[in-house]
Amino acid sequence: GESVGLHLPTLSVQEGDNSIINCAYSNSASDYFIWYKQESGKGPQFIIDIRSNMDKRQGQRVTVLLNKTVKHLSLQIAATQPGDSAVYFCAESSMYSGGGADGLTFGKGTHLIIQP
Amino acid sequence: DVKVTQSSRYLVKRTGEKVFLECVQDMDHENMFWYRQDPGLGLRLIYFSYDVKMKEKGDIPEGYSVSREKKERFSLILESASTNQTSMYLCASRYRGRETQYFGPGTRLLVL
Repeated sequence: GESVGLHLPTLSVQEGDNSIINCAYSNSASDYFIWYKQESGKGPQFIIDIRSNMDKRQGQRVTVLLNKTVKHLSLQIAATQPGDSAVYFCAESSMYSGGGADGLTFGKGTHLIIQP
Repeated sequence: DVKVTQSSRYLVKRTGEKVFLECVQDMDHENMFWYRQDPGLGLRLIYFSYDVKMKEKGDIPEGYSVSREKKERFSLILESASTNQTSMYLCASRYRGRETQYFGPGTRLLVL
């Protein structure tokens, strides 16, 4: 499948600051994007998703921005808290994925570290 | 609330053993998936199932098989465990026609 990657493997932010985690994708046919949070020793947890007909979507303390022109996705976390420490990874899918995968293509992940 | 459970959080097996990993979801999801997660490699799809008794190979099916006899349960089988199958195994499920997958807590398997 197409590659989905992250710009930075580790991001360190001060508690209370806003965090921005970035993701680049290469499949121009991707039409759905999702962010997961994975805490140590746990399974990935759904945070927020966005379709390609939108460029912004907001949740509770989180915002996802999609720039289809440059094939870039970002996750913004407002007022970062200690409980936000985790690995965050993006995933994408396309109705044209085909093949045998028919699932999501995942990025490698960014480790968000919250400093007190 | 979405609930995907996996039979074990940690497993230690010996090379050559047959290993069964069980996944159960209670959301009546049609589609179920098995991934493995390794440092630096991210999540890789092993097998998925569209519905009961249906299965499709993912990106790395070698050394694995699956079983989907009931809608809520999807089993991953390591026919003869090898040390390179030491990994974190994640199960996920979703409704047919929807993209969002919901994950279980994972099974960390160590093959000695």
